[in-house]
Amino acid sequence: DTAVSQTPKYLVTQMGNDKSIKCEQNLGHDTMYWYKQDSKKFLKIMFSYNNKELIINETVPNRFSPKSPDKAHLNLHINSLELGDSAVYFCASSPWIGEPYGYTFGSGTRLTVV
Amino acid sequence: AQTVTQSQPEMSVQEAETVTLSCTYDTSESDYYLFWYKQPPSRQMILVIRQEAYKQQNATENRFSVNFQKAAKSFSLKISDSQLGDAAMYFCAYRSARRDDKIIFGKGTRLHILP
Repeated sequence: DTAVSQTPKYLVTQMGNDKSIKCEQNLGHDTMYWYKQDSKKFLKIMFSYNNKELIINETVPNRFSPKSPDKAHLNLHINSLELGDSAVYFCASSPWIGEPYGYTFGSGTRLTVV
Repeated sequence: AQTVTQSQPEMSVQEAETVTLSCTYDTSESDYYLFWYKQPPSRQMILVIRQEAYKQQNATENRFSVNFQKAAKSFSLKISDSQLGDAAMYFCAYRSARRDDKIIFGKGTRLHILP
């Protein structure tokens, strides 16, 4: 029943590892996003996809690579993890690009790099 | 570039009282949307209320209402009859009406409800 689901909810890993976070939405939305929330709670967009097409690619290290196999899924792969990557990562979706009603967020993935 | 500023990092209010959270934003655009999101300890981001810039009437959702002052670029949130469940981080957010734009968030205000 969950509208936007992310897995895993918690991820603890060592520096230098590669990890992926998965996101799926069952709302039939066309547009999906990844946001990063740092330790001070600041939320910043990383990427957005509309119907599998990359729309927004903010200034993010190229160790971060989004993948959208279909419009219901947007995964985030992170290579060579660093301590500074520790944060909560939120996936979100909206019905179509440019719609004005705000996003539906997943419950977040807390990534801890040790 | 657009910015969103929340000048109150933390606020406290007595249960059943009214509290107002402040937000200002900077934009050169005339058509945009404004939002307040709530993030309780569960971490879930919940949309509380939204406002279209072209509407003069302030949005209201039950105990939540906004004071939208377009000329002053101000968008405050008023919570009436505060309840313990209102304790959370509150984020003010902006999105241009341009098709491919994204939501920009302020740094948040942590609201404590005192029993």
